[in-house]
Amino acid sequence: DGGITQSPKYLFRKEGQNVTLSCEQNLNHDAMYWYRQDPGQGLRLIYYSQIVNDFQKGDIAEGYSVSREKKESFPLTVTSAQKNPTAFYLCASTEFIGNTEAFFGQGTRLTVV
Amino acid sequence: QQQVKQSPQSLIVQKGGISIINCAYENTAFDYFPWYQQFPGKGPALLIAIRPDVSEKKEGRFTISFNKSAKQFSLHIMDSQPGDSATYFCAPAANQAGTALIFGKGTTLSVSS
Repeated sequence: DGGITQSPKYLFRKEGQNVTLSCEQNLNHDAMYWYRQDPGQGLRLIYYSQIVNDFQKGDIAEGYSVSREKKESFPLTVTSAQKNPTAFYLCASTEFIGNTEAFFGQGTRLTVV
Repeated sequence: QQQVKQSPQSLIVQKGGISIINCAYENTAFDYFPWYQQFPGKGPALLIAIRPDVSEKKEGRFTISFNKSAKQFSLHIMDSQPGDSATYFCAPAANQAGTALIFGKGTTLSVSS
């Protein structure tokens, strides 16, 4: 079955530690996105990528980094510079940037301990 | 980034009632008007979408109404059921290079039995 796989489902981070969230898709989509979801805040865009080896900052990119070395993979690193990283993180993909359906992974819940 | 305003933020409806959620946008280039449904702890999934060549689309109990001149579209849920309790997001999109996928802040619907 085609889809988006996020891992891990739950992740715990210690203060000052970098962690990487995985996102893999087998839909052959060009565009991929990362969102952060906090209660009452909706989906806020962190980074997006239109094509391999290209990515753009979203509204809340500070403290995060991404890479897009392969079409199917778009990992997100939450760095120690992100002061409030506890949230639900969602990865999505679309066939292309534009007017088409978005497919989401099941999310990763990150907690700072 | 394009502005998308969704209302209300939360909605409580009795079983069998009608739920109405609105989405207002600014970018006249938008030509894809979807609603996504998200259950707790899961990623959103496309519920229903409309293109601007029609003013209304119905799929079962779910209807989208589109008003191009007012730059808004609405989701109507007829005969609301407890299983419809979820968060709903609008995410109008355009086939424009460089534009990211932006979501409204979401509407939390609770259907009481």
